[in-house]
Amino acid sequence: DAKTTQPTSMDCAEGRAANLPCNHSTISGNEYVYWYRQIHSQGPQYIIHGLKNNETNEMASLIITEDRKSSTLILPHATLRDTAVYYCIVSNFTGGGNKLTFGTGTQLKVEL
Amino acid sequence: DAGVTQSPTHLIKTRGQHVTLRCSPISGHKSVSWYQQVLGQGPQFIFQYYEKEERGRGNFPDRFSARQFPNYSSELNVNALLLGDSALYLCASSLGWGTSGTYEQYFGPGTRLTVT
Repeated sequence: DAKTTQPTSMDCAEGRAANLPCNHSTISGNEYVYWYRQIHSQGPQYIIHGLKNNETNEMASLIITEDRKSSTLILPHATLRDTAVYYCIVSNFTGGGNKLTFGTGTQLKVEL
Repeated sequence: DAGVTQSPTHLIKTRGQHVTLRCSPISGHKSVSWYQQVLGQGPQFIFQYYEKEERGRGNFPDRFSARQFPNYSSELNVNALLLGDSALYLCASSLGWGTSGTYEQYFGPGTRLTVT
């Protein structure tokens, strides 16, 4: 699976959009980009995933660059409850199992 | 709909003992995966089971084993516990397995294991 690079931490004001970047310059053509988040002491929560096109659901939007070497997760109106560690994961689920390889993620802190 | 459930919530064991952790997947999900999360790190993949067969294994010693039952629930067993096994053990379920789909995984709340 391709390696991802994320900032260690980010701050965002409540009500503003939170834009979380992820670099995955070695991504291969059949690898998906997944985003999960983990609120303190809870299990990770699936947010969104995409392959080439931008995606949007009720939680967030995922913007993938045309060359697919980076992506941005957008939380359109961040609230205090969005404070969590956000993980960007790239995988095509080959190599044995649908394992998710978590890095250290980005600690997003949403403040008043 | 009920999410992934895990039991027990917390557990304290002594070095050398054995532990069994349990997981019930979301209704309709046939695959269960186990992850270990040590404090300050991201979750690390241990096993994936689909239709009662092991489909993937992470880099963990043979002291770790698991199985999946006909109702798709699963157990994770750890023998000869070490202090370093203290962690949050997470179970995740997904609809299926393989490369034909994206199979997003849904995690349970985890079991906090403390080894003293």
